Amino acid sequence: EAQVTQNPRYLITVTGKKLTVTCSQNMNHEYMSWYRQDPGLGLRQIYYSMNVEVTDKGDVPEGYKVSRKEKRNFPLILESPSPNQTSLYFCASSPSDRTRFSGNTIYFGEGSWLTVV
Amino acid sequence: AQKITQTQPGMFVQEKEAVTLDCTYDTSDPSYGLFWYKQPSSGEMIFLIYQGSYDQQNATEGRYSLNFQKARKSANLVISASQLGDSAMYFCAMREGFYGGSQGNLIFGKGTKLSVKP
Repeated sequence: EAQVTQNPRYLITVTGKKLTVTCSQNMNHEYMSWYRQDPGLGLRQIYYSMNVEVTDKGDVPEGYKVSRKEKRNFPLILESPSPNQTSLYFCASSPSDRTRFSGNTIYFGEGSWLTVV
Repeated sequence: AQKITQTQPGMFVQEKEAVTLDCTYDTSDPSYGLFWYKQPSSGEMIFLIYQGSYDQQNATEGRYSLNFQKARKSANLVISASQLGDSAMYFCAMREGFYGGSQGNLIFGKGTKLSVKP
């Protein structure tokens, strides 16, 4: 079954304690992305990756790091989490072939609810 | 400037009636795709419907249809015969990227919370 898997799904952590949210996809997609969702703001892109070792900042990258060492994995790293990073996080993947941008070709993980106290 | 605008933070609709959720977009890319997603209270993003910029006909998927008015840059979602299970957040999104410098990122609006009344 085609899927994007995020872990953990739920986490409460303390300010300053480094954490990693993992994201893995089994569809051999080149493109992967992280979003955060906050009330009244919709989903905003944090980082994205067009392929292995190719990452770039989205709209709200401050306080986050990513890496793309393997095609299937795209972890989101919070080196020193702060309360303003409390949010719902989504990982997404899709083919990067632009002729395949149409239709339901973007797969989302189930979301990770992160609370920083 | 916002690329995706959803002007209705919240909407109410009576069960079995139709409802239209508004979405306007802004792009100079001639090739783009428009998406609608549903997010129930459990949080997952559920794909509803897609419209390509070159599609001649408005997209339909079951009770969902997309009223695509290209000249007005409008892509409203119409839900017919609303059900209680339709109560959720709804997001409009756009993906540019066939031409130009866009990386094909998905850009979201701020969402509309739909409540279906029995």
